[in-house]
Amino acid sequence: AQSVTQPDIHITVSEGASLELRCNYSYGATPYLFWYVQSPGQGLQLLLKYFSGDTLVQGIKGFEAEFKRSQSSFNLRKPSVHWSDAAEYFCARGSNYKLTFGKGTLLTVNP
Amino acid sequence: GAGVSQSPSNKVTEKGKDVELRCDPISGHTALYWYRQRLGQGLEFLIYFQGNSAPDKSGLPSDRFSAERTGESVSTLTIQRTQQEDSAVYLCASSLSAGEADTQYFGPGTRLTVL
Repeated sequence: AQSVTQPDIHITVSEGASLELRCNYSYGATPYLFWYVQSPGQGLQLLLKYFSGDTLVQGIKGFEAEFKRSQSSFNLRKPSVHWSDAAEYFCARGSNYKLTFGKGTLLTVNP
Repeated sequence: GAGVSQSPSNKVTEKGKDVELRCDPISGHTALYWYRQRLGQGLEFLIYFQGNSAPDKSGLPSDRFSAERTGESVSTLTIQRTQQEDSAVYLCASSLSAGEADTQYFGPGTRLTVL
């Protein structure tokens, strides 16, 4: 079965520091990959998605992600984190009609 | 409203009672999805609708769970004889169509607590 792994349950960074959240997906043809963010009490908001083409994808709020087929990874990055980025981040893979999600990474931002 | 809406936002119920959760998708979206998010877990797929047809119900945890959709509009998720393990946030999403490349837009969820 297809799966998505987010190895880091919780990450803490200082405001202004760079951020990288890891995501690995299981085997398959060209995957459809997504990153969502969930703020407390909110639904999931799409940050960015990868379908094909350029492996570096730009998203909202200054986030980007790079698809690396050789590593089966789709890591999310941001050069300088803001306090408002504190939230839970979910990587997901599209498979037919449904999304398969990782278990999420909780991001804490220290002042 | 342009987004997916869900009601109620919070529901507290006693074990053994039935509950109904409602989802209003984005207008024009033919596909609608239900997911469950238990504490500390990722989202689990429950069921999806293409129009008012539910081609895949395999994610429903038990026969106490059912869902229906009226046309390409409102959907309700019903849980009968609720159990404590049903406590979770139930998220609804919609998309233009039900393809793996279609972006799913999520509602704010219904937090269900079964006492």
